[in-house]
Amino acid sequence: AQSVTQPDIHITVSEGASLELRCNYSYGATPYLFWYVQSPGQGLQLLLKYFSGDTLVQGIKGFEAEFKRSQSSFNLRKPSVHWSDAAEYFCAVGFSGGYNKLIFGAGTRLAVHP
Amino acid sequence: DAGVIQSPRHEVTEMGQEVTLRCKPISGHDYLFWYRQTMMRGLELLIYFNNNVPIDDSGMPEDRFSAKMPNASFSTLKIQPSEPRDSAVYFCASSTGQRASEQFFGPGTRLTVL
Repeated sequence: AQSVTQPDIHITVSEGASLELRCNYSYGATPYLFWYVQSPGQGLQLLLKYFSGDTLVQGIKGFEAEFKRSQSSFNLRKPSVHWSDAAEYFCAVGFSGGYNKLIFGAGTRLAVHP
Repeated sequence: DAGVIQSPRHEVTEMGQEVTLRCKPISGHDYLFWYRQTMMRGLELLIYFNNNVPIDDSGMPEDRFSAKMPNASFSTLKIQPSEPRDSAVYFCASSTGQRASEQFFGPGTRLTVL
């Protein structure tokens, strides 16, 4: 069965520090991969997506993610975190073959210290 | 362009009452999804529609929950009778089959059942 794992429930970083949020998936073929961000009291906003091609994907707000097929991973990175990045981040996997269903990870809550 | 619209944004009701949540997807999107988010269970897919037809309702927790999509621009999620354990944030999302799984989320409805 397909699944998405975000190993880190909470992460705390200092403002200006680099960030990496981990995401691993289980799926037999190449999936479609997404990162969403949810600020408190808000809906989910798409940060970036990978469908095919270049495995390093640029998103909004200075985020990027790299698809590594050998590791079944799609980690999210940002070189310098801003206080406004404090939010919950969700990795999601979609599947080819006619379905538009997404499976979401449990989320990683990011706190940013000044 | 307007995004996904949900109403009401907040709903407080008493146990046993009927609750109806509403969603207007983005115009032109042919997939509509209903999710529930709780601290304990994270983000769960309840049901999704394609071209107004329910495709997968395996996530609907029990018969008290029902969802309809009478036309391409409107969907409802109904809980009857409501119970305190139904308290959660309910999200609606929409997507188009042309963009393989990329979903756009509404702001959510926070439901509290007393």
